[in-house]
Amino acid sequence: AQTVTQSQPEMSVQEAETVTLSCTYDTSESDYYLFWYKQPPSRQMILVIRQEAYKQQNATENRFSVNFQKAAKSFSLKISDSQLGDAAMYFCAYIRAGNNRKLIWGLGTSLAVNP
Amino acid sequence: ETGVTQSPTHLIKTRGQQVTLRCSSQSGHNTVSWYQQALGQGPQFIFQYYREEENGRGNFPPRFSGLQFPNYSSELNVNALELDDSALYLCASSLGGTGGTEAFFGQGTRLTVV
Repeated sequence: AQTVTQSQPEMSVQEAETVTLSCTYDTSESDYYLFWYKQPPSRQMILVIRQEAYKQQNATENRFSVNFQKAAKSFSLKISDSQLGDAAMYFCAYIRAGNNRKLIWGLGTSLAVNP
Repeated sequence: ETGVTQSPTHLIKTRGQQVTLRCSSQSGHNTVSWYQQALGQGPQFIFQYYREEENGRGNFPPRFSGLQFPNYSSELNVNALELDDSALYLCASSLGGTGGTEAFFGQGTRLTVV
């Protein structure tokens, strides 16, 4: 069975600094996708960044980037130039390729941004 | 805004009652997935509907059931509510077919069972 582990329940960062959130996963599949979602107090899950397992290049979206290490089954999120609006719960999620869209989630990391 | 709307936003029910939660999917999406998120936890997959058929189910008892309508909106029904059913219920819509394309989430329904 696939699992996703986020080992940092809480993290904090100073405004304008950089923070890295960790995620590891376990799967026997070779074709899958990984995601980081943000859940602010409004509760709505917002996609931050997506990584296809078959791509070696790490995904980037503006201030957000990932370090995808397929052999180590590691998928960390780096947030650069942190802003107050980045404060939220961050969830790492996995989905195998194919027709079944069952997202498997980690427990989340609560990120606080200090002014 | 994702175009996925859930109703109601909050709900309080008594143990043993039944509840129906609703989700309108994003235009053009034919797949709806439901997740249960207990306080302080990550979401857990309940089931998925693709073109009105159930297309996968998580480890939830049969008292959790669902429907998808021809317009691809969906309902989640829970019978014989238990206190542990208190959670945030999230609906996500996406396009069926190959995996990996983005799932768009609604704002969730907060269910409290007393």
